[in-house]
Amino acid sequence: GAVVSQHPSWVICKSGTSVKIECRSLDFQATTMFWYRQFPKQSLMLMATSNEGSKATYEQGVEKDKFLINHASLTLSTLTVTSAHPEDSSFYICSASPRGGTSPLHFGNGTRLTVT
Amino acid sequence: QKEVEQNSGPLSVPEGAIASLNCTYSDRVSQSFFWYRQYSGKSPELIMSIYSNGDKEDGRFTAQLNKASQYVSLLIRDSQPSDSATYLCAVNVQGAQKLVFGQGTRLTINP
Repeated sequence: GAVVSQHPSWVICKSGTSVKIECRSLDFQATTMFWYRQFPKQSLMLMATSNEGSKATYEQGVEKDKFLINHASLTLSTLTVTSAHPEDSSFYICSASPRGGTSPLHFGNGTRLTVT
Repeated sequence: QKEVEQNSGPLSVPEGAIASLNCTYSDRVSQSFFWYRQYSGKSPELIMSIYSNGDKEDGRFTAQLNKASQYVSLLIRDSQPSDSATYLCAVNVQGAQKLVFGQGTRLTINP
């Protein structure tokens, strides 16, 4: 149980284009999902908390107009990287918890984004 | 001070020995603590969760929590080469659902 699916697993795009990443909870409903970013040899940094039916909550320093988050249903959250630049190249990982609160997070397989 | 701190390593341990990974956290009222294992290029997978002081054992893994010292550790007994990975300590932030991760400890088990 508690499977989180993320798509695509990798994407290469040109600078200035936009990329959408999908995160789905396959066997549970998630009112809250989390988007993390991980640069090489660094830890996971929380970008934003995605809330079903309402606006996402962004961490300090994360541009909400650049990283658009939509959580339109209880099983799907999307992250769109708009006008991507090479410095946006990173490993993006979504996560969710079946019970919320303080229960452990389960992660999607991640999306490797490379902006050329 | 970082919210969650780990020694980045690398930590090298001979096969069959005990690997000991440590983590300290700054938020005294944190209630939930997790250890994740991350292989290179992959997303983290949950190894252990611990919520109360003391030890929690699951197979070859033992998590230890000491809230007074704001310290959580992970012991891996009978280390195997397949245990070579980066181990991430994560702590629940007070009043929020989000987890804060340490920088991770890179563990290498030498055959």
